[in-house]
Amino acid sequence: DQQVKQNSPSLSVQEGRISILNCDYTNSMFDYFLWYKKYPAEGPTFLISISSIKDKNEDGRFTVFLNKSAKHLSLHIVPSQPGDSAVYFCAASAYQQNAGNMLTFGGGTRLMVKP
Amino acid sequence: EPEVTQTPSHQVTQMGQEVILRCVPISNHLYFYWYRQILGQKVEFLVSFYNNEISEKSEIFDDQFSVERPDGSNFTLKIRSTKLEDSAMYFCASSESLGTQYFGPGTRLLVL
Repeated sequence: DQQVKQNSPSLSVQEGRISILNCDYTNSMFDYFLWYKKYPAEGPTFLISISSIKDKNEDGRFTVFLNKSAKHLSLHIVPSQPGDSAVYFCAASAYQQNAGNMLTFGGGTRLMVKP
Repeated sequence: EPEVTQTPSHQVTQMGQEVILRCVPISNHLYFYWYRQILGQKVEFLVSFYNNEISEKSEIFDDQFSVERPDGSNFTLKIRSTKLEDSAMYFCASSESLGTQYFGPGTRLLVL
């Protein structure tokens, strides 16, 4: 199942610079997208989300961009901090009446922010 | 800040045994979920639960799996007869509406 893909398994960035994590999807029914951060042996922690009616959502250092025509979303972290080092997952869902709103996850990108 | 909790954090069991994984969702949330992540693989959806019934389930969620909300706070996942391939991290999640899901810390299940 490759409906949500994160093509970069890892990304290394210098502290203070911008981190850009990318995610592609194939299912045009997806209408809600989320980014989660995950440390080893912990559960995914919600970061930021975006509805398909928007193309940008910003929360502090985190901004998510959605390009529906390209079926692509990205997470920008500015400025990057060493504490941002973790695995980042994008996830997507499609609203269906009387259904459960399951999330489909990408494979994750490991971000390393170097001091 | 409210959070989803899960117990136990680790569970080791013998193949064929039953296991029950427990979750306490965030108190005002109405939608509950189980996901799992096999080592080195993606997080996969298992089941969603709303209004005391399953609202959606994946192909993974076969007859060996069941979920229950036995009281007003707990949400459980039961695996009746565990197999080696059930070894994974199991995550519970909850949401207030059909929007953002908040995840627990997970239970690491090892089937020997």
